[in-house]
Amino acid sequence: GESVGLHLPTLSVQEGDNSIINCAYSNSASDYFIWYKQESGKGPQFIIDIRSNMDKRQGQRVTVLLNKTVKHLSLQIAATQPGDSAVYFCAEREGSARQLTFGSGTQLTVLP
Amino acid sequence: DGGITQSPKYLFRKEGQNVTLSCEQNLNHDAMYWYRQDPGQGLRLIYYSQIVNDFQKGDIAEGYSVSREKKESFPLTVTSAQKNPTAFYLCASTEGVGRTEAFFGQGTRLTVV
Repeated sequence: GESVGLHLPTLSVQEGDNSIINCAYSNSASDYFIWYKQESGKGPQFIIDIRSNMDKRQGQRVTVLLNKTVKHLSLQIAATQPGDSAVYFCAEREGSARQLTFGSGTQLTVLP
Repeated sequence: DGGITQSPKYLFRKEGQNVTLSCEQNLNHDAMYWYRQDPGQGLRLIYYSQIVNDFQKGDIAEGYSVSREKKESFPLTVTSAQKNPTAFYLCASTEGVGRTEAFFGQGTRLTVV
């Protein structure tokens, strides 16, 4: 089946810098994408989502960019803080499909 | 506050035993899901349910069973037929299948001893 993957398994950034987490997806029919944050030993938390009729969406300190031409999704975190250290997952869904398909995650570590 | 509650947080199972993981939600969501997460891996769908008394197999249903007798509850049983059950199990819900984001519980870590 289709899968969602991430370019890098780990990412380290200095506190205060901006972080960019990337995600490649292979299902060209996917029309809804979500970013989740998962802290150690906890369930994933919703960060931001975007539909395929958009190429950018902003939240509080986060921005999601969608490039449908190359099937690429990114999450930008501004002024990264120690509390941002976690695993970040992208997930995608096609239309009224039954489930989200998750990538394997990127571990973000914020350095002091 | 509305949310999803999973229990217990940690669970130990002996070889050959069946164990049941609890998932309760008070979000009035129609759809509920069970995912399995292994170290360094993404989430894989075990079972999902769109409405009460109905459920469907996900990608890795073998060795697991579920029931949906109430809208609020979607327990997962890990049977002795599941050969490698040690993992982190996550329950989620959405307003309906295919509707917006999924809300997750805090997970149950199951270990075979």
